[in-house]
Amino acid sequence: DAGVIQSPRHEVTEMGQEVTLRCKPISGHDYLFWYRQTMMRGLELLIYFNNNVPIDDSGMPEDRFSAKMPNASFSTLKIQPSEPRDSAVYFCASSFRGIGNQPQHFGDGTRLSIL
Amino acid sequence: GEDVEQSLFLSVREGDSSVINCTYTDSSSTYLYWYKQEPGAGLQLLTYIFSNMDMKQDQRLTVLLNKKDKHLSLRIADTQTGDSAIYFCAENGELIFGTGTRLQVFP
Repeated sequence: DAGVIQSPRHEVTEMGQEVTLRCKPISGHDYLFWYRQTMMRGLELLIYFNNNVPIDDSGMPEDRFSAKMPNASFSTLKIQPSEPRDSAVYFCASSFRGIGNQPQHFGDGTRLSIL
Repeated sequence: GEDVEQSLFLSVREGDSSVINCTYTDSSSTYLYWYKQEPGAGLQLLTYIFSNMDMKQDQRLTVLLNKKDKHLSLRIADTQTGDSAIYFCAENGELIFGTGTRLQVFP
């Protein structure tokens, strides 16, 4: 079975540019999560969706960050404009039947570098 | 707020046992998880324990849970170089992951 698929794997761009990260969850999973990982702050939950609806976006750092899930098989995380402090590894994860019952399956991440 | 804490580093010799510790604060957690992250990859579920259990064994892995002290540990027996990775504990109540413990295994 295909796991969670993220693209691109690596992104290097100049500050001020728009960055779009993409995620395809595991088919049949009804929850999707976006995380950010840095050395300083560890793994942070940014936002999660249930059945394509954003449930909790309290982890989104600023208005520059936005996430959408137009359908059950696709989600995007957008940063506009990007800043050097946004450099991190961004992970997408999905799970079936919610938060408590099933573990999350992670993608391999997008390593983002903002110059 | 809720929090999950882990020590940052652990270094062990190949063949020895490793013990990675975690403390959490959310007493409503039903499940507690251990994830493993290898370089350049995402987190993979390693094992989990129900909150009403004290211990779970899975081959070389032993998970111990002390609900009273909100302490979780992962013991890896006969640690191998392939076990070198970052290990995260997580509780399901608040979707909070620990900072991760970097395990380094040397020959």
